[in-house]
Amino acid sequence: QKEVEQDPGPLSVPEGAIVSLNCTYSNSAFQYFMWYRQYSRKGPELLMYTYSSGNKEDGRFTAQVDKSSKYISLFIRDSQPSDSATYLCAMKVQAGTALIFGKGTTLSVSS
Amino acid sequence: DTGVSQDPRHKITKRGQNVTFRCDPISEHNRLYWYRQTLGQGPEFLTYFQNEAQLEKSRLLSDRFSAERPKGSFSTLEIQRTEQGDSAMYLCASSPGTAALWVPFYSGNTIYFGEGSWLTVV
Repeated sequence: QKEVEQDPGPLSVPEGAIVSLNCTYSNSAFQYFMWYRQYSRKGPELLMYTYSSGNKEDGRFTAQVDKSSKYISLFIRDSQPSDSATYLCAMKVQAGTALIFGKGTTLSVSS
Repeated sequence: DTGVSQDPRHKITKRGQNVTFRCDPISEHNRLYWYRQTLGQGPEFLTYFQNEAQLEKSRLLSDRFSAERPKGSFSTLEIQRTEQGDSAMYLCASSPGTAALWVPFYSGNTIYFGEGSWLTVV
C-alpha cells in the first residue's frame, strides 16, 4: 500500500459543478497537507496549504483535513473550464523535508 | 519572470550518455529540492539543499545521479550513463524557509516548483 492514495480519475464535470477531490493516507505522522494543480507538461502550482486538521477556504477552493480518518479533500465551487488540470495532493511529516504526493486526479470541466 | 527556472526544458539523449540539468531558484530562497515525475505518477522526492549543503537524499538517487548547489544559488542535477528508466520530468523547487523544522503556517514552508526538465532516453 502506498503512503498516499489518490483516485487518478479522469473526472469529467460540466461548468459550474462542485468538484470533490480526495486523498487517503496511511502515515499518521503527516502534519502538513497541500494541494497542487498541474497543467499538462507544466510544473505543479500550489493551491492550498493546511496544517493538521480543519478547513481552509480560498476563493472557490476549500481544503479539508480529517486526521482521524486519514482523509483530505479539495472542493472546487463553480468549476470553470480553466480548472481542467491534474490535481495532486501532497503531505509531509513535521521533521521531514520530502513531500509525499498522490498520483494526481485528472479533472476535465466542459463548457 | 521571477519563478523557478529550469534548463533545458527538453532533452533527448541516447542510452549511456550523461545529461545535466540546471535549476535557478527564486532569488534568496534558501531551500532547493529536486523531484522526479513519470507519466501518470506524482512527483517523487530526490534530494534537498539548505543553501549549499545537501542535507537529504532519497534512495531513488542512485550512484549515477549527482546534485550540486555550489554557491547556494543555482543547482545542477547530473545523470551519468543514462538508462531508459531515467526518462521522466525532473522538477526543481525552492522555498524561502530557513528554520530547521517547519513551523505551522510559516510562509517559508511554501514550496514553488519550476516548469520541469523533460528527459527522454532512447
